[in-house]
Amino acid sequence: DAGVIQSPRHEVTEMGQEVTLRCKPISGHNSLFWYRQTMMRGLELLIYFNNNVPIDDSGMPEDRFSAKMPNASFSTLKIQPSEPRDSAVYFCASSSRPYGGGNTDTQYFGPGTRLTVL
Amino acid sequence: AQKVTQAQTEISVVEKEDVTLDCVYETRDTTYYLFWYKQPPSGELVFLIRRNSFDEQNEISGRYSWNFQKSTSSFNFTITASQVVDSAVYFCALRNSGNTPLVFGKGTRLSVIA
Repeated sequence: DAGVIQSPRHEVTEMGQEVTLRCKPISGHNSLFWYRQTMMRGLELLIYFNNNVPIDDSGMPEDRFSAKMPNASFSTLKIQPSEPRDSAVYFCASSSRPYGGGNTDTQYFGPGTRLTVL
Repeated sequence: AQKVTQAQTEISVVEKEDVTLDCVYETRDTTYYLFWYKQPPSGELVFLIRRNSFDEQNEISGRYSWNFQKSTSSFNFTITASQVVDSAVYFCALRNSGNTPLVFGKGTRLSVIA
């Protein structure tokens, strides 16, 4: 089975440009998470969705960041305009919630997108 | 608030040695889940184990074992007879009940030297 798919794997852009990161969760998973990894701050949550609905976006740094999940199989994270301090590895993760309740879902991560903003 | 502390920033061992990675967590929830992930040099995050707060039974999987102790809020990870391929950054993480995000520790970088 395919895992979480992220694209692009690497992105190099110049300050001020728009950047769009893409994620395809594992089929059947209904929760999707965007995390960012930096040396200074480690792994931190940006936003997450349950059943395509954004639940908590308090980790989104500022208005330059936006995320959408138009359907169960696709999500985007957009940065506009990008800045050098946005350089990081961005991970997407997905998990499922068993029907009938239960909270034993595990988050599986994509390979990440390494973003460099010059 | 939830917090995960991995006090060991870096550990270096010689191949075949045993090594224990420490993880201490804080949470006010009575139901929660603990995880370990491995991040090899290639960069992906690989799930290793999940443990819920009601199950304190230790687990062994091959050369890996986990010791969960609620009394000390610890969830330590031991690699027996370490190998060079075990070299990676290991993250401990915590999540409360529900479809909620993970709170990660800062990670421990393990280097296994041949």
